[in-house]
Amino acid sequence: GDSVTQMEGPVTLSEEAFLTINCTYTATGYPSLFWYVQYPGEGLQLLLKATKADDKGSNKGFEATYRKETTSFHLEKGSVQVSDSAVYFCALNRLSGGYNKLIFGAGTRLAVHP
Amino acid sequence: NAGVTQTPKFRVLKTGQSMTLLCAQDMNHEYMYWYRQDPGMGLRLIHYSVGEGTTAKGEVPDGYNVSRLKKQNFLLGLESAAPSQTSVYFCASSQLASGSETQYFGPGTRLLVL
Repeated sequence: GDSVTQMEGPVTLSEEAFLTINCTYTATGYPSLFWYVQYPGEGLQLLLKATKADDKGSNKGFEATYRKETTSFHLEKGSVQVSDSAVYFCALNRLSGGYNKLIFGAGTRLAVHP
Repeated sequence: NAGVTQTPKFRVLKTGQSMTLLCAQDMNHEYMYWYRQDPGMGLRLIHYSVGEGTTAKGEVPDGYNVSRLKKQNFLLGLESAAPSQTSVYFCASSQLASGSETQYFGPGTRLLVL
């Protein structure tokens, strides 16, 4: 069945460091891919998404490219800030039985210190 | 515009007690979802609804019931709570059922079953 695998955390970085969080998926066909972010004490928010191969999603300085050949959707940011400290979830979405079936990775906790 | 709200925010139950979690959305969305979040496992779908008066089972439905009597509300019930149901519960909603549709999440309910 469909699945999403993320790199284990926590990831600890200094402010202004480069961030990569790896995400790979297993799925048939061409699901849409998402990154959600969960700030402390809050629910999940959509960070970015890509709906087809080679699409690049971007938001708030974060980017991820849908790579069909490597079944990957790695999240990157050139210069992280303390305010980026959160848990990041990679997910795939497909229409299944008349509803949106979201399958999440386990989440990667990012801690950015000054 | 409140988006998706959940009550209560936190609850402690004893084994065998019952409770109802309330989710409300003001975006006029057709689809609503209940997830549970456990450490190292991402989010898993408990039940979902594709419209007022409809409900369906998700990935981990055992021990839970749901109702969607009004379009804006989606209730999750635990008839006889068990320690294995200690978790953080998230409600989400979406307007469409398409593979690229974004789901909007509430802030979560933290439940501890003793």
